[in-house]
Amino acid sequence: NAGVTQTPKFQVLKTGQSMTLQCAQDMNHEYMSWYRQDPGMGLRLIHYSVGAGITDQGEVPNGYNVSRSTTEDFPLRLLSAAPSQTSVYFCASSYSTRRNEKLFFGSGTQLSVL
Amino acid sequence: GNSVTQMEGPVTLSEEAFLTINCTYTATGYPSLFWYVQYPGEGLQLLLKATKADDKGSNKGFEATYRKETTSFHLEKGSVQVSDSAVYFCALREPNTGNQFYFGTGTSLTVIP
Repeated sequence: NAGVTQTPKFQVLKTGQSMTLQCAQDMNHEYMSWYRQDPGMGLRLIHYSVGAGITDQGEVPNGYNVSRSTTEDFPLRLLSAAPSQTSVYFCASSYSTRRNEKLFFGSGTQLSVL
Repeated sequence: GNSVTQMEGPVTLSEEAFLTINCTYTATGYPSLFWYVQYPGEGLQLLLKATKADDKGSNKGFEATYRKETTSFHLEKGSVQVSDSAVYFCALREPNTGNQFYFGTGTSLTVIP
């Protein structure tokens, strides 16, 4: 079972470059989300989606775009990378948005912006 | 608004010691509560959960009880092992805010032989 797959695992960018972090899940989950993890700040929600064609902003959306054209895929785009976007990024999904449903996490992408 | 507060780390314990990691929450509605664990270099994985008051979640020797009166969900284990070394996150999911997850800042645990 693949679960939630994120690529790449590591990435180094220069300021101003753009890139896309890929996320795919094979569990037919309705809900998908992106978090960033920074020391001392826990996980902060960037964007989320409750189904194909539906996305919304989380707590820290600036500088990031998302789209959800299929149930399986939820890519995160950095439009013009900044050093403040150096972080570990996690994609997570759940079967539904019911309050008792757990999140399944990918293994993360470590991004450094120089 | 919603928030989760965890005890500050890092925590260092000897093998077979008793573990408590405190977690308190603020929620506008009636949340479900979760503990996630993150091993080095990996994503978070669910450790246990509880969905209503007085429920006890348990897994791998870890336990936590949903205490509505004290808005707490403390994680406990009677005898920790070296393999329990990880970062532990308390979280809530609450319907009044679109069922988004709110995570604490994480508590790092190191168990020494």
